[in-house]
This record gives sequence, structure tokens and C-alpha cells, in this order.
Amino acid sequence: AQTVTQSQPEMSVQEAETVTLSCTYDTSESDYYLFWYKQPPSRQMILVIRQEAYKQQNATENRFSVNFQKAAKSFSLKISDSQLGDAAMYFCAYELGFGNEKLTFGTGTRLTIIP
Amino acid sequence: GAGVSQTPSNKVTEKGKYVELRCDPISGHTALYWYRQSLGQGPEFLIYFQGTGAADDSGLPNDRFFAVRPEGSVSTLKIQRTERGDSAVYLCASSFGDSSYNEQFFGPGTRLTVL
Repeated sequence: AQTVTQSQPEMSVQEAETVTLSCTYDTSESDYYLFWYKQPPSRQMILVIRQEAYKQQNATENRFSVNFQKAAKSFSLKISDSQLGDAAMYFCAYELGFGNEKLTFGTGTRLTIIP
Repeated sequence: GAGVSQTPSNKVTEKGKYVELRCDPISGHTALYWYRQSLGQGPEFLIYFQGTGAADDSGLPNDRFFAVRPEGSVSTLKIQRTERGDSAVYLCASSFGDSSYNEQFFGPGTRLTVL
């Protein structure tokens, strides 16, 4: 079974600075998808960024980028120029895809932005 | 452009009672997912529908939990003989479900409290 581990229950960063959230996972598959989701107090999960395992290039979305290390099974999220609106719970997730579409989530990291 | 909606937003019930939680997916989405998020945890997969049929119900914890999607749109998660351990936020998501990867769009969840 696949597992996702987030070892940082809480992180904080000064506004406008950069922060990196860590995630490791375990799988025996070679093709899969990895995600970072943001969950604000409204509870609604919002997709931040996605990485396909077959792509060597790290995904980027504006201020958000990932460091995907397939051999190490590591998938960290870097948030640049942190903004107050980035404060939320962040969840790392894994999906096998190709018809097996259930997401497996980590336990989350609570990110606080310090003004 | 309506997103995924879930009703009720909050539900308080007594131990032993029966509850129904409703999910309205995004129009045109054939795939629908239910997840359960306990306090301080990431969401855990419960069941996945493709059209009217349950493609994967491996996450349902026991036979007190049942979900239906009779017309391939709205889904209802049913919990019989509720227990205090069922208290959690129940999240629903939907996707187009027609390719190797399909982004899941989440609703705001229903917070169930069993007294």
C-alpha cells in the first residue's frame, strides 16, 4: 500500500520570504502522480501543484514549485515570496491514476505567515 | 460555474442514529469520490463512483457505511447506527474521469458530530 509522510506538523515563515514543506512517500509503482493541496479554514481542498512521476522536470506554478526526487521518493513544495493568503494546511498526496484514482494524503503541515 | 456542493454543512446527531450526507458534483463530471477527514489528519479515501457504479469501495470502514449515486450525478453517503468515532469532516470530490489523470475538485465538506 502507498503511504505519504509529512514530518513537519507546523511551519512558519516571514511574509515575502521562502519556505519549503517536506513530503516523502512509499510506492512500488513507477508511474503515478503527486500533488500538493491547500486547505484553508473554509475546509475546501484546493490543488496547488501537480507532478507526473514520468516527468523529470520539476513542476512550477507561479510562486509555487516542487523538488521531485523520484529515487529518494521525496516531493517537497517551495513557496516563494510568501503572502498572508498562503496561510493554510498543506497536504501532500499520491495517486496511481490510470483508472485507480483514489488520493492518498499525508497528515498535513500547518503553514503560518508572519506579517 | 457552480463547484461541488455538499449538504448539510454541519450535522449533529446522537449515537445510534442514521444520517445521510449529500454531494452535488460539478455538472458533466462522471467520477465522484468520498473522503473522510478526522481531526488533525489528512483525508482518507472511502469510495469512488464512475457513473452510477462504485468502481472502488475499498475505503468504507464497515457495513454501516453505504453510498449511492443512482443517476450518475448526485451522491448520498449513508451511515447507519452512528458511533462517536464517525465524527469527522466528510469531503466529496468530482472529476471528468475520462483520461489517465483527472483533477479532483473538492466540495467544502460536511462536518458530522456524533454525540
